[in-house]
Amino acid sequence: EVQVLESGGGLVQPGGSLRLSCAVSGFSFSSHAMGWVRQAPGKGLEWVSAISGSGSSTYHADSVKGRFTISRDNSKNTLYLQMNSLRAEDTAVYYCAKGIGGGWSKHDYWGQGTLVTVSS
Amino acid sequence: QSALTQPASVSGSPGQSITISCTGTSSDVGGYNYVSWYQQHPGKAPKLIIYDVSDRPSGLSNRFSGSKSGNTASLTISGLQAEDEADYYCSSYTSSSTVVFGGGTKLTVL
Repeated sequence: EVQVLESGGGLVQPGGSLRLSCAVSGFSFSSHAMGWVRQAPGKGLEWVSAISGSGSSTYHADSVKGRFTISRDNSKNTLYLQMNSLRAEDTAVYYCAKGIGGGWSKHDYWGQGTLVTVSS
Repeated sequence: QSALTQPASVSGSPGQSITISCTGTSSDVGGYNYVSWYQQHPGKAPKLIIYDVSDRPSGLSNRFSGSKSGNTASLTISGLQAEDEADYYCSSYTSSSTVVFGGGTKLTVL
């Protein structure tokens, strides 16, 4: 059974940093791209970042480019999102999602999300 | 990258069919066969229902189908059921090597 579990969310002040983690099991982690998608309270889905199975290729939305970094540790079956220079508009539930095969633009398994609140 | 355009809401009666449109540009929907659709119930994580325009994940009901014409993709749900009431989002790969979502459509089953 595929399991995806995010952690690391919480309350952070504007300008601060936070690192999200996503532990997975039930599939060959290194064979699949992974991604992060967020959803602000009461709003729609927004794609954030993606990474290839090997970790050699990464992709970021313009809204987070230069501030967020996606990475993975295939030995630990864990995905990360390092978030720096956080802004109020980054407040959202952050979902970790598994890519389908080598594709990183479509996701077949999602975690339940972790809430990040940026506020003073 | 602007969000894909979806109707804010659609509705239908049990047993009927509905279609949700998703309009983009030649740089996203029209340029690639990488359109996905997700269903999201309140307070829950999104669930993949269609990928690569018209492919269904294993085990998903064939009441859900997808198609594309030009810059517009469509999701059709046939034989509407009460449990289909949810928010639906389309997404597409883009020429900038990013992903763009639609604004979401609230489906009400009357």
